[in-house]
Amino acid sequence: GDSVTQMEGPVTLSEEAFLTINCTYTATGYPSLFWYVQYPGEGLQLLLKATKADDKGSNKGFEATYRKETTSFHLEKGSVQVSDSAVYFCALGYSNFGNEKLTFGTGTRLTIIP
Amino acid sequence: DVKVTQSSRYLVKRTGEKVFLECVQDMDHENMFWYRQDPGLGLRLIYFSYDVKMKEKGDIPEGYSVSREKKERFSLILESASTNQTSMYLCASAEGGDRQETQYFGPGTRLLVL
Repeated sequence: GDSVTQMEGPVTLSEEAFLTINCTYTATGYPSLFWYVQYPGEGLQLLLKATKADDKGSNKGFEATYRKETTSFHLEKGSVQVSDSAVYFCALGYSNFGNEKLTFGTGTRLTIIP
Repeated sequence: DVKVTQSSRYLVKRTGEKVFLECVQDMDHENMFWYRQDPGLGLRLIYFSYDVKMKEKGDIPEGYSVSREKKERFSLILESASTNQTSMYLCASAEGGDRQETQYFGPGTRLLVL
């Protein structure tokens, strides 16, 4: 079956540091890949996505590239801010009828200190 | 903007009680989902629905049931609440078919079963 593995947290960085959160996946088909973010006290919201190999998703300074050869979708940001403190979830999913569910990783808690 | 609302942010119930969690979306989405979120386990799918009166079991359906009588509303039912159902419950919705992919989440209901 499908699965997603994220780096263990929590991760604590200083403001303006470079961020990488690793994500690797195992898939039976050709999924789309997602990063969702959960800010304190809120539900999840989509941060970025990529639908096929070599696609790069980007949003709010975050980027991730769909790497089929390494089955990875690592999240990166060049300079983090305190407002980026949240829990980040990597996920994979399909869009064919009857198989629309997402498979999530366990989440990585990120704390940015000023 | 897509809006997904959940009936309660916090809920305290006693063991054995029947519990109803309600979710409403305002974007005419075909698909709706119920997840539970637990530390170290990420999000796990309980049930999903791709149409009115249709439902599919997710990864952890035991102890839960669902109801979808109207397209915009998806209810999660705990028939007889137990302490191991203490968790954060998240509802999500998405367009159906090949437009699906992105799921939109509600703010979550934190349930405590005593």
